[in-house]
Amino acid sequence: EPEVTQTPSHQVTQMGQEVILRCVPISNHLYFYWYRQILGQKVEFLVSFYNNEISEKSEIFDDQFSVERPDGSNFTLKIRSTKLEDSAMYFCASRGILEETQYFGPGTRLLVL
Amino acid sequence: AQSVSQHNHHVILSEAASLELGCNYSYGGTVNLFWYVQYPGQHLQLLLKYFSGDPLVKGIKGFEAEFIKSKFSFNLRKPSVQWSDTAEYFCAATGYSSASKIIFGSGTRLSIRP
Repeated sequence: EPEVTQTPSHQVTQMGQEVILRCVPISNHLYFYWYRQILGQKVEFLVSFYNNEISEKSEIFDDQFSVERPDGSNFTLKIRSTKLEDSAMYFCASRGILEETQYFGPGTRLLVL
Repeated sequence: AQSVSQHNHHVILSEAASLELGCNYSYGGTVNLFWYVQYPGQHLQLLLKYFSGDPLVKGIKGFEAEFIKSKFSFNLRKPSVQWSDTAEYFCAATGYSSASKIIFGSGTRLSIRP
């Protein structure tokens, strides 16, 4: 069964450093998403992406964040200058064009020190 | 404003007990509803979903949920829980547009005593 994959599974970084979180969506999916879950809190929407552009973004997704689909398979989330409060589990999800269900990856746990 | 509420933060049950986890939503327009489960150390998995039709939907592992439009509810049920059902359960909703984001509830942690 096809799955969404994410790398790395864990990342530790220093405050102010740039991080890139990588996702490989399910191959025939066209809608891509990033969510995050701060420890002990609910899963929050960050951004959706379709046809090589952002469809929607939340208030959390400020200028420090960017997304990119650099090739036909990867979907990345970049945080330019990490803050302590960016520490969270980041989930990628993808969806096919004819369905409503989003499929989630296993997440990347980001710890900013 | 769009929102999903789960009123039970932590539920503790014994094996074979019946389960019902509450979920209420506030959403303008047509809504799609989901329950996701997150087992310890694992990623979010879809348990079941409701888009239209029969308001009683059956999912994996013996779970079911009932969409009651008049109550804006989508409660999750299982007649007899097992220890392996220990997990975090998230109710979620999306609107009926092509790139709709998911709005998650705060989650309910389910602990099953063996």
